This record gives sequence, structure tokens and C-alpha cells, in this order.
Amino acid sequence: NAGVTQTPKFQVLKTGQSMTLQCAQDMNHNSMYWYRQDPGMGLRLIYYSASEGTTDKGEVPNGYNVSRLNKREFSLRLESAAPSQTSVYFCASRVSLAGVTYEQYFGPGTRLTVT
Amino acid sequence: GENVEQHPSTLSVQEGDSAVIKCTYSDSASNYFPWYKQELGKRPQLIIDIRSNVGEKKDQRIAVTLNKTAKHFSLHITETQPEDSAVYFCAASKQGSGYSTLTFGKGTMLLVSP
Repeated sequence: NAGVTQTPKFQVLKTGQSMTLQCAQDMNHNSMYWYRQDPGMGLRLIYYSASEGTTDKGEVPNGYNVSRLNKREFSLRLESAAPSQTSVYFCASRVSLAGVTYEQYFGPGTRLTVT
Repeated sequence: GENVEQHPSTLSVQEGDSAVIKCTYSDSASNYFPWYKQELGKRPQLIIDIRSNVGEKKDQRIAVTLNKTAKHFSLHITETQPEDSAVYFCAASKQGSGYSTLTFGKGTMLLVSP
């Protein structure tokens, strides 16, 4: 049971390049999330998917797109990277049933640098 | 939407002392309050959570208290050890009808000196 996995672990992009961050979970969770973490800013929600087939914007969605490929996988795409997107990106997942909140599990993170 | 304020941003204590981290939230309908610990270079991990039907919860050296009237909750760590050094995040969300995401505080860096 690997939990939540992310690829890649590290990435350096030039301004204007595109890339996709991959996330997968093997815990049969229905909800998945993408956060970015910047020094002194905590964890800010970019996009989330409450269940397979749905996606919604979080607090800081500009410059990103997401795809909930299936129940296991949730990807984050940067179409045209900007230096302001330099950050550590965390994927997370949890069970969400009938309005009850259960523990949210995080992936190991992707450290992205945009030059 | 929900807003969570966390204080202090940094906290230094001596080994064996107690540490207290405080959070306030803005949405009175929030009713689930988890705390996450993030060691350097690692992922955040849940250490304790509390729901609004209780005022306090303890797990060994860690406790969380909740004051719904004042809309604040606190993490208490007793007999601190160097391995408690990490960044701690509080969060809040609303369970019940509809779907709610977690709103995180900005974090507290706790440093425990031997």
C-alpha cells in the first residue's frame, strides 16, 4: 500500500514551458486535492476533485488546470510556467462520505523551480 | 469563505517545556479542526483532530482544546522533545450538508532545543 504518490520529485522549468505533475492514490479515496506550499504562506488549495468526474477551483487556481483521470489519479498541469509558480506542490486524498470529514493524506511533494 | 489565523509563526522552547500554538477561525459553521505536523523536507501528517462536539482531546503528550464561542482552538504539547521540532499547521472545515475543503493556517515553526 503506497498511499499517495507523486511524480516527479523535482523539476526545473524555463518560463513559458509546460508540464504535468502526476498524483496517484491506492487507498480507494474519492476526494483528491492539489496544494502549493510557499514559505510563510501555509498550504493553499489550487484545485480539488470531490469525486471522480468532478473538479473545482480552490483558493489559487490561476495558471493551472487539472484532470481527474480516474478514481486513482489526479494530475495538475502548468500550461505556461511562470517564476511565481516556483513552489512545493502537494497532492492529497481522503474519504469523504455524507458530509463527514476523514483524515487527509498527503503525497511526498514535488519541488518545482521556474527560471 | 473560511479564514484561519495561526500564532505564533515561530516558537522556540527548551526540551521538557510545554508548547502552545493557537488558531482562530472565522466561519462559525466550521466543526472539524485537524492539526498537521510537517518535518523538514517531508509531507504534512495528521497528529490529532477535534470535532466541535467535544471541547478537548488528548493523545499522550499532545492535546487540542476548542472554544466554539470564541472561535479558537489550540494545540498543546507537553514535555517537548527535540523530535517535536517541525512546522505545525492547524486547519478548519465544515462537515455536514454539502462539500467542504480544509482551510489551513500559515504554520508555526517549533524548535525544541536540547
